[in-house]
Amino acid sequence: AQTVTQSQPEMSVQEAETVTLSCTYDTSESDYYLFWYKQPPSRQMILVIRQEAYKQQNATENRFSVNFQKAAKSFSLKISDSQLGDAAMYFCAYLGGGADGLTFGKGTHLIIQP
Amino acid sequence: GAVVSQHPSRVICKSGTSVKIECRSLDFQATTMFWYRQFPKQSLMLMATSNEGSKATYEQGVEKDKFLINHASLTLSTLTVTSAHPEDSSFYICSASGSETQYFGPGTRLLVL
Repeated sequence: AQTVTQSQPEMSVQEAETVTLSCTYDTSESDYYLFWYKQPPSRQMILVIRQEAYKQQNATENRFSVNFQKAAKSFSLKISDSQLGDAAMYFCAYLGGGADGLTFGKGTHLIIQP
Repeated sequence: GAVVSQHPSRVICKSGTSVKIECRSLDFQATTMFWYRQFPKQSLMLMATSNEGSKATYEQGVEKDKFLINHASLTLSTLTVTSAHPEDSSFYICSASGSETQYFGPGTRLLVL
């Protein structure tokens, strides 16, 4: 079974600065997808970024980028120029090659200090 | 973008009653939908996979007779919590799969008194 580990229950960053959220996973599959989802207080899950395992290039979406290290099974999220609206729970998630649901990490609560 | 709706957003019911939650993909067809449960301050846990036109597959520990899932069309899946009890109180979230990405509904907060 796949597992996803987020070792940082909470992170705090000053507004406009950069923060990195860590995520590691365990799998025996070679083809899979990794995601970062954001869950603000409204509890709506919002897709932040997605990475296909077969792609070596790290995914980027505006201020959000990932550092995907396939051999190390690491998938960290970097948020640049942090904004107050970035405050939320961030979940790392794994999707295997079958038609399975997502496996989520426990989440990291991101606090933005004004 | 892909939009998923969920109804109702909040429901309060008495113990022993059944509650139906609907999940709809509004602008795309989803042969597969998923149901998750999230307890306070915890992560999302997959309950079941809902496949259009076939029986749902349930995760270990999830009672299929208690959580009935129907996926009658490519845009609608329903989750019925039968004979709900206070321990079923939780946040239920559905997602619909499109292009190897899951898009989530806004969730349903269920409180069983």
